[in-house]
Amino acid sequence: GQQVMQIPQYQHVQEGEDFTTYCNSSTTLSNIQWYKQRPGGHPVFLIQLVKSGEVKKQKRLTFQFGEAKKNSSLHITATQTTDVGTYFCAGLNFGNEKLTFGTGTRLTIIP
Amino acid sequence: GAVVSQHPSRVICKSGTSVKIECRSLDFQATTMFWYRQFPKQSLMLMATSNEGSKATYEQGVEKDKFLINHASLTLSTLTVTSAHPEDSSFYICSAREWQISYEQYFGPGTRLTVT
Repeated sequence: GQQVMQIPQYQHVQEGEDFTTYCNSSTTLSNIQWYKQRPGGHPVFLIQLVKSGEVKKQKRLTFQFGEAKKNSSLHITATQTTDVGTYFCAGLNFGNEKLTFGTGTRLTIIP
Repeated sequence: GAVVSQHPSRVICKSGTSVKIECRSLDFQATTMFWYRQFPKQSLMLMATSNEGSKATYEQGVEKDKFLINHASLTLSTLTVTSAHPEDSSFYICSAREWQISYEQYFGPGTRLTVT
């Protein structure tokens, strides 16, 4: 079945440093979504990318969708303590309309 | 934005008993709801897709007789864990999608089940 892997699994950064998480799917995706889950919380939708090569920005967050629609990345510039949490990518396959969640990257910030 | 509620938020039950978890879309109609399971520090694993008015579709390896899903209305889906065992202890999260509006899924706050 479809697998979605993320690296790194954990990332500890000093506050103010940048952070990037990479997402790779074993199959071509219809679209990719990104979610953030705070400790003890539930996943919260961040963004959806649909087009090959698409780049979207939300303030300090930049999301990219690969040309082959099999990989994606999330980059956070100048991290803040509020960025703490686990970031999941999730690939959607229009064929079955199911989201397959990536393995997640847990971000911790050192103040 | 769209809101999904789950009840209860936490439940402790004895081994062998059954537990029902409710998932409601509060301000939109959700023809499709999804049930996930999440173990500590792990990703979300899709258990089943719940469609209003029809039988749920279970993922491979998920026992349909153990995890009973009912989607009786456009705003309510329930997951019943039958004859619970300690290994069923987990964080159960539902999500709902506003059909034909977006593929974005709105997640409920989750239910932490502990089976003693």
